Amino acid sequence: EPEVTQTPSHQVTQMGQEVILRCVPISNHLYFYWYRQILGQKVEFLVSFYNNEISEKSEIFDDQFSVERPDGSNFTLKIRSTKLEDSAMYFCASSARDRGLPGTDTQYFGPGTRLTVL
Amino acid sequence: AQTVTQSQPEMSVQEAETVTLSCTYDTSESNYYLFWYKQPPSRQMILVIRQEAYKQQNATENRFSVNFQKAAKSFSLKISDSQLGDTAMYFCAFRTNSGGSNYKLTFGKGTLLTVNP
Repeated sequence: EPEVTQTPSHQVTQMGQEVILRCVPISNHLYFYWYRQILGQKVEFLVSFYNNEISEKSEIFDDQFSVERPDGSNFTLKIRSTKLEDSAMYFCASSARDRGLPGTDTQYFGPGTRLTVL
Repeated sequence: AQTVTQSQPEMSVQEAETVTLSCTYDTSESNYYLFWYKQPPSRQMILVIRQEAYKQQNATENRFSVNFQKAAKSFSLKISDSQLGDTAMYFCAFRTNSGGSNYKLTFGKGTLLTVNP
């Protein structure tokens, strides 16, 4: 069964450093998302991406964040200058959104990348 | 903006028994989806069940079923014959289906379910 993959599983970085979190969505999916979950809190939406552009972003997704789909398979989240409060689990998700396919409105999540900022 | 409320931070159940997790939501829309996701200690988000708002019939997936009350904006999850592997955090989530490309999920705060042997 196809699945969303994310690398690395755990990233440790120093405050102020840039990090890139990588995701490979399910191959026939069209919509891509990043969410984050600070330890012990609920999952929060960061950004959605469709047709090679951002379709919506939350107030969390400020100028320090960017997303890219560089090669048609990977979907990346970059944090330019990490802060202590960026420490969280980051989840990538994808959905097909093709009305012809059953269950296509469902978002499937990757296993997450745990980001620790020291 | 939509909100999702899970009023039970923690629940426990004995193995083989039935448990119901509550979720209410607030929206002005009529066309949307509701989901339950499970997050075990590994922290991966796993889809448990989904419900389309236009369907009156409650969704069922094996031991998991929902009680969807659209007028009351309530979407509870029932787990029958609970198993130790059901121990996890359960998140209720809302997604609009009103068109456009903004299909973000809005999550509740979660209910930590512990299944005891």
